[in-house]
Amino acid sequence: EDKVVQSPLSLVVHEGDTVTLNCSYEVTNFRSLLWYKQEKKAPTFLFMLTSSGIEKKSGRLSSILDKKELSSILNITATQTGDSAIYLCAVTINTDKLIFGTGTRLQVFP
Amino acid sequence: EPEVTQTPSHQVTQMGQEVILRCVPISNHLYFYWYRQILGQKVEFLVSFYNNEISEKSEIFDDQFSVERPDGSNFTLKIRSTKLEDSAMYFCASSDAGSGNTEAFFGQGTRLTVV
Repeated sequence: EDKVVQSPLSLVVHEGDTVTLNCSYEVTNFRSLLWYKQEKKAPTFLFMLTSSGIEKKSGRLSSILDKKELSSILNITATQTGDSAIYLCAVTINTDKLIFGTGTRLQVFP
Repeated sequence: EPEVTQTPSHQVTQMGQEVILRCVPISNHLYFYWYRQILGQKVEFLVSFYNNEISEKSEIFDDQFSVERPDGSNFTLKIRSTKLEDSAMYFCASSDAGSGNTEAFFGQGTRLTVV
């Protein structure tokens, strides 16, 4: 069965800290890995990764895929209270659906 | 910025009733999806729709569910006879080239409560 696992489930940090969120997957016919941020309702897109070892960056957020280790990390540097959210990892295979992990709940306190 | 819009934001219905959840995908997108998220659980795929037909559906998407694109803009999810366990947040999503090739954009969701 195709599976996406995220860790940790929950993380509490202070503003200014750097965090690393992990996503690992066990799927057949991997195609891409996506990160989403879910604040109140809708997941909003962060990154899509298809190639191993190429870092994608957007401001304080960055992500990289390791196809050998079947995993990805999402880094957030200099965290702010506005980064508080659930971060979702999802994988696509040879079909079109997204297979989601359970998410990591990040809470950033001032 | 274009966005996926869903209505209503919250729907309360009695068990056994039919509900229709509505979505307006981003206008130039060709691939449409429904996902659901039961409170405290992961987001689960229900169905994908392309070229006016279902391209894939999950085990959850049984005979009580159906999807339709009745005109050029709306995409609906119908649940024929709701059960208590259908209570969840339902997300519509769309993408322009399939979510394996490009990102899927999600709507704000419809919270369905079955009582």
